[in-house]
Amino acid sequence: GQNIDQPTEMTATEGAIVQINCTYQTSGFNGLFWYQQHAGEAPTFLSYNVLDGLEEKGRFSSFLSRSKGYSYLLLKELQMKDSASYLCAVQDGATNKLIFGTGTLLAVQP
Amino acid sequence: DTAVSQTPKYLVTQMGNDKSIKCEQNLGHDTMYWYKQDSKKFLKIMFSYNNKELIINETVPNRFSPKSPDKAHLNLHINSLELGDSAVYFCASSFAGRRTEAFFGQGTRLTVV
Repeated sequence: GQNIDQPTEMTATEGAIVQINCTYQTSGFNGLFWYQQHAGEAPTFLSYNVLDGLEEKGRFSSFLSRSKGYSYLLLKELQMKDSASYLCAVQDGATNKLIFGTGTLLAVQP
Repeated sequence: DTAVSQTPKYLVTQMGNDKSIKCEQNLGHDTMYWYKQDSKKFLKIMFSYNNKELIINETVPNRFSPKSPDKAHLNLHINSLELGDSAVYFCASSFAGRRTEAFFGQGTRLTVV
């Protein structure tokens, strides 16, 4: 079966750091993606992990542990514009399709 | 220069009608997708085409029929619309294979009344 879990909602303060977790159970694995989606807009690509470890890209970092079926997205120096949904997606090993989690709605407060 | 464009952005129609959503990408990708995002924001793949060939059909009702005239276009036709079809439909494209970062269109918000 395929199952991807993320917290539904999170709240954080401007300037702070927030970690959004994602756990997955899939029949195959070709990598894990994080997407950002602002309300009423299209999802946009943030990061990709296929090997264990941390990938850093500016204020955003993503971590993967394949043995634990676990990833997190770390957002530093939060800005108001970071308020959005963050979608974790696993690439299926057999078909390469992206299987999305339900997304985490992040609210950044002043 | 829009990478993945889909039209219309909003579509309001009555139950039982037939409607189409069009999608075009100018990224040179060989794979295109249709996703459905429901009211709970869950994004679920419906179809995937690679070089005009259907490669993924996620048990979508037969009322939904995708058509890919060439690898830059993937349209979605929906027959006999039902209330439960109300959702946001996203078109996306990517290169085939691993590390297939998908680029999404702006979405079509379909409301069936």
